[in-house]
Amino acid sequence: DIVVTQSPDSLAVSLGERATISCKTSQSVLYSSNNKNYLAWYQQKPGQPPKLLIYWGSTRESGVPDRFSGSGSGADFSLTISSLQAEDVGIYYCHQYYTTGRTFGQGTKVEIK
Amino acid sequence: QVQLVQSGAEVKKPGASVKVSCKASGYIFTNFHIHWVRQAPGQRLEWMGVINSGSGGITYAQSLQGRVTMTRDTSANIAYMELSSLGSEDTAVYYCARDHFDTGGFYFPDYWGQGTLVTVSS
Repeated sequence: DIVVTQSPDSLAVSLGERATISCKTSQSVLYSSNNKNYLAWYQQKPGQPPKLLIYWGSTRESGVPDRFSGSGSGADFSLTISSLQAEDVGIYYCHQYYTTGRTFGQGTKVEIK
Repeated sequence: QVQLVQSGAEVKKPGASVKVSCKASGYIFTNFHIHWVRQAPGQRLEWMGVINSGSGGITYAQSLQGRVTMTRDTSANIAYMELSSLGSEDTAVYYCARDHFDTGGFYFPDYWGQGTLVTVSS
């Protein structure tokens, strides 16, 4: 299975400031035939199921605020929250869907400084 | 609107089995795959497998092969996940989630159920 590693494990950011989370996969998740990165990002708040934010590495899900953006390709990705809001507190997971054995990162906890 | 409603919490003894249901509404059930994902306390999400709600085709995570069974009832729009030979390591919240696309293959989940807590304890 592809190992997905996020960094940092947690970060505290002031309201209105930028938060950036890194996600690295143990092998490329770029499918050459369609040039798409098989990587998604989810946000999870306590007691709730995950919420889809980004897929194909950088496509924002409908209804997700544009302060959330995904970037990267191959095996190196980032999720950026351009201006952190109070409601963005939670745990963020990246998820590779390139291989049959789907895997998730260990999560990054985002808090307000 | 798309909704996935799961069955209630369960407490099981080691060695027993558990069956979790997931009732779908708000979309054409047979057009989308259903994923099952679990989350042990304080742990990362773990993908368990996926069922094609139309054809019944299934792909299981290798780590659970032989212990997990996924089925569906197309007349009632319900997906099921049964896990056998439970151990303490199976204590987790179990989620069903619909795949994002209705193209025949499976990709990633978008809509999720509320989760079902399964506790394994003697």
